[in-house]
Amino acid sequence: EVQLLESGGGLVQPGGSLRLSCAASGFTFSSYAMSWVRQAPGKGLEWVSGISGSGGSTFYADSVKGRFTISRDNSKNTLYLQMNSLRVEDTAVYYCAKTYSLYSSSWYGGDYWGQGTLVTVSS
Amino acid sequence: QSALTQPASVSGSPGQSITISCTGTSSDVGGYNYVSWYQQHPGKAPKLMIYEVSDRPSGVSNRFSGSKSGNTASLTISGLQAEDEADYYCSSYTSSSTNVFGTGTKVTVL
Repeated sequence: EVQLLESGGGLVQPGGSLRLSCAASGFTFSSYAMSWVRQAPGKGLEWVSGISGSGGSTFYADSVKGRFTISRDNSKNTLYLQMNSLRVEDTAVYYCAKTYSLYSSSWYGGDYWGQGTLVTVSS
Repeated sequence: QSALTQPASVSGSPGQSITISCTGTSSDVGGYNYVSWYQQHPGKAPKLMIYEVSDRPSGVSNRFSGSKSGNTASLTISGLQAEDEADYYCSSYTSSSTNVFGTGTKVTVL
């Protein structure tokens, strides 16, 4: 059974940093691109960042480019999102999601999602 | 990258069919067949309903179908049921190797 479990969310002040983790199980982690998708309270979904199965290719939304870094440790079956220079508008539930497409270098859509972790940026 | 445009709300009676549109540009919806649709119930994670414009994942009811014409994709729910009441989002791969979601549509079963 595929499982994705996010952790690392919490309350942080504007300008601060936070690292999210997503522990994966039930599939060959290194064979699938992964993404982070966020949802601000009462708002819609926003794609944040994606990474290829090998970790060699990374992609970012303009809203987080230069501030967030996506990475993965395939030996630990874990996806990460390092978030720096956090802003109030980064407040959201952050989901990790696995792509449905085996061996693709890009994330084309998510067939499995975690339950999300809440990040609150506030002073 | 601007969000794809969806109607804010769509409603229908049980048994009826409804269609949700998702309008983008030639750099996303119109340029790729990587359009997905998600269902999200309150407080829950999104669930993949359609991928690559019209393919259904295993376990998704065949009452859900997808299509695309030009820069607009569509999700049709036939035989509307109470449990279909939820928010629906489209998404597309883009020419920048990123992804973009739609603005979301609230489906109400009357």
